[in-house]
Amino acid sequence: AQTVTQSQPEMSVQEAETVTLSCTYDTSESNYYLFWYKQPPSRQMILVIRQEAYKQQNATENRFSVNFQKAAKSFSLKISDSQLGDTAMYFCAFLWGGSEKLVFGKGTKLTVNP
Amino acid sequence: DAGITQSPRYKITETGRQVTLMCHQTWSHSYMFWYRQDLGHGLRLIYYSAAADITDKGEVPDGYVVSRSKTENFPLTLESATRSQTSVYFCAARLAGVTGELFFGEGSRLTVL
Repeated sequence: AQTVTQSQPEMSVQEAETVTLSCTYDTSESNYYLFWYKQPPSRQMILVIRQEAYKQQNATENRFSVNFQKAAKSFSLKISDSQLGDTAMYFCAFLWGGSEKLVFGKGTKLTVNP
Repeated sequence: DAGITQSPRYKITETGRQVTLMCHQTWSHSYMFWYRQDLGHGLRLIYYSAAADITDKGEVPDGYVVSRSKTENFPLTLESATRSQTSVYFCAARLAGVTGELFFGEGSRLTVL
């Protein structure tokens, strides 16, 4: 069974600084996808970024980028120029290409301080 | 906006009562999912559906029943609610052929006394 581990229950960062959220996963599959979802205090789940395992290039979406280390089974999220609106729970998620079941980590609560 | 509407947003019930959480999508997403979110557990899949009349169990299906007679609706029923089912429930949907990206509803907070 695939598992996703987020080892940092809580983190904080100063506004405008950079922060990295960690995620590791365990799978024996070669075809899979990785995601970071954001859940602000409004509770709405929002996709931040996705990465296909077969792509070597790290995904980037504006201030959000990932460091995908396939051999190490690591998928960290870097947030640059942190903004107050980035305050949220962040969930790492894994999807095996042959499944519909998205598996989530337990989440990291990020607080951006002014 | 995938138009996922959940109701009720908040519900308080008592142990042993039947509760149904509704989920409606305004698009024609093939796949629909029910997750529960608990502190320390993240989101865990309860049930999902690939199409009308096709459903399958997720990680934590015990105590829950789903149906999908119409593509746009995917209700989740707790036949006899227990305190351990106190949680926030999220319905989600995605298009066929678009791997992984889920569109979520706003969640339903259920408290079982």
